[in-house]
Amino acid sequence: GAVVSQHPSRVICKSGTSVKIECRSLDFQATTMFWYRQFPKQSLMLMATSNEGSKATYEQGVEKDKFLINHASLTLSTLTVTSAHPEDSSFYICSASPTGEGYTFGSGTRLTVV
Amino acid sequence: QKEVEQDPGPLSVPEGAIVSLNCTYSNSAFQYFMWYRQYSRKGPELLMYTYSSGNKEDGRFTAQVDKSSKYISLFIRDSQPSDSATYLCAMTPGGSYIPTFGRGTSLIVHP
Repeated sequence: GAVVSQHPSRVICKSGTSVKIECRSLDFQATTMFWYRQFPKQSLMLMATSNEGSKATYEQGVEKDKFLINHASLTLSTLTVTSAHPEDSSFYICSASPTGEGYTFGSGTRLTVV
Repeated sequence: QKEVEQDPGPLSVPEGAIVSLNCTYSNSAFQYFMWYRQYSRKGPELLMYTYSSGNKEDGRFTAQVDKSSKYISLFIRDSQPSDSATYLCAMTPGGSYIPTFGRGTSLIVHP
């Protein structure tokens, strides 16, 4: 089936540094990629929708300058957490819909900012 | 009231039990319904995808949608310890819409 590969699975960074998370669609073209954030025992919170070749659409309350999204090709979308702080520590997940029926998720990235 | 309500649990059952997981929703425009399984520290995995009302079966899993009651269910037969995970329901008005997720129900199947 369709696979979305997400890297890294886990990252620890120092406060003030930037972290890049990559999501690749391995066997399909993802015109649109969704980025979520998930807190422990909470549901998925949509952060932004990225479209290949255009600017991402951010959900209300999500800082565009902190969470930079780039969708440069049909198989690659990246999320960069800039000037990370401890409150940015969370589980970040990307997803795409290969067939229009259901969504395939990446394996997630656990970010810890110390 | 949230658009999608889902009891977070945890729901603890013995191995072999039939498990019933449920979600209610308020938006009558929802037409497509999904169930995802999420293991700890992993991304969600699509289990079932259904359109409109009715039942859909896949192995030990059965998804049921009752649009008149705005209620959906996922049944797991002969539950196994490996089924222990969080189960999230999701729904959209159409295939191209961003899904709305429930908060997930934590299921524990003990041997």
